[in-house]
Amino acid sequence: GAVVSQHPSWVICKSGTSVKIECRSLDFQATTMFWYRQFPKQSLMLMATSNEGSKATYEQGVEKDKFLINHASLTLSTLTVTSAHPEDSSFYICSATRDRDTEAFFGQGTRLTVV
Amino acid sequence: GQNIDQPTEMTATEGAIVQINCTYQTSGFNGLFWYQQHAGEAPTFLSYNVLDGLEEKGRFSSFLSRSKGYSYLLLKELQMKDSASYLCAVMDSNYQLIWGAGTKLIIKP
Repeated sequence: GAVVSQHPSWVICKSGTSVKIECRSLDFQATTMFWYRQFPKQSLMLMATSNEGSKATYEQGVEKDKFLINHASLTLSTLTVTSAHPEDSSFYICSATRDRDTEAFFGQGTRLTVV
Repeated sequence: GQNIDQPTEMTATEGAIVQINCTYQTSGFNGLFWYQQHAGEAPTFLSYNVLDGLEEKGRFSSFLSRSKGYSYLLLKELQMKDSASYLCAVMDSNYQLIWGAGTKLIIKP
């Protein structure tokens, strides 16, 4: 199966700083990448959908100026949490698809803790 | 609105069989996915159904009935490592994945 690598696996940062999370498709070109957030004991919540070379589409309630998404190439998307606060502490997961109607492959996830 | 329903929690015995149901109401349908998620980890892909019927993959099988908006995941010969959450997701007409809340499966010896 296809491999999606997400980095870092976990990060602890101070309140007010910014954190960048990378999502790479290692052996395929990802037409679309998705960013999710998951709070403990809750389901995945889609934050945004990004297509290579175009602006990300954010879900309602997700601040695009706070969660910056860059999908610069067909194999790399980044999520930057700007001016992080403790309430941003969560599990962030990316996924990528080759084509629109194929299964999504997930990265390992990034556990962000803001102190 | 779009909705995916699955039981919150199920308990089964090691070596037994368990069926996890999923019903959905979505705007369009482009396939149904089942994922397994262990606590603290990202989901891993289990199965994909786009046509009616049963797809078998080892100990896991997934069934789809589009007319009923219904799917189930069948797990046979349960092992302790199968304890996890099982997520049902439907791809709608815009090729967006709509996620269920997940079913927590507890396996007892």
